[in-house]
Amino acid sequence: GDSVTQTEGPVTVSESESLIINCTYSATSIAYPNLFWYVRYPGEGLQLLLKVITAGQKGSSRGFEATYNKETTSFHLQKASVQESDSAVYYCALGDDQGGRALIFGTGTTVSVSP
Amino acid sequence: NAGVIQTPRHKVTGKGQEATLWCEPISGHSAVFWYRQTIVQGLEFLTYFRNQAPIDDSGMPKERFSAQMPNQSHSTLKIQSTQPQDSAVYLCASSSRQGRTGQDTQYFGPGTRLLVL
Repeated sequence: GDSVTQTEGPVTVSESESLIINCTYSATSIAYPNLFWYVRYPGEGLQLLLKVITAGQKGSSRGFEATYNKETTSFHLQKASVQESDSAVYYCALGDDQGGRALIFGTGTTVSVSP
Repeated sequence: NAGVIQTPRHKVTGKGQEATLWCEPISGHSAVFWYRQTIVQGLEFLTYFRNQAPIDDSGMPKERFSAQMPNQSHSTLKIQSTQPQDSAVYLCASSSRQGRTGQDTQYFGPGTRLLVL
């Protein structure tokens, strides 16, 4: 079936350190997967961080990057130097290109950045 | 743009009571999605509408849960005879197609936290 697996949290990093959250997907019923990272900051709703709809492409936002790797079925999220304001829950999600399909989410990774 | 609006933000019901959750999508968005989030199950899809028509309700529990979208400005999720296991955060999202291909970006509301005692 279709599924998303991501790094189990919680993850604690110090400010200015690098961060990587692993995400792999299985898209057996989706011909052209679209991949997303959503984030929920404390006290806020779920919001889109970045998305990539073409294999081999990289998405970036707020200093985060993720590359859609079709060969390894991965979409890892990385940031070279985190800030305290990056403390949040990060969700990897899988959709398709047909428009309107419900997203399949990973379990979420809680990231805490210490000063 | 106010974003997706969900009301109420918190709801406490007694076992066996009915709960109705409301969602107002972003103006102009053609699709509305309902998800449920629990610690155990994570984020689960429930149902979705496009242009007010129900498209996929494969995630909806077959009993007690129903959803409607009577007009383009709101959707409701109704849970009859609520049970403690229905306690969760219910999220609504709306989207509009970006170009001719590619997944619609879904924009989420703040959620309704339902607690069934």
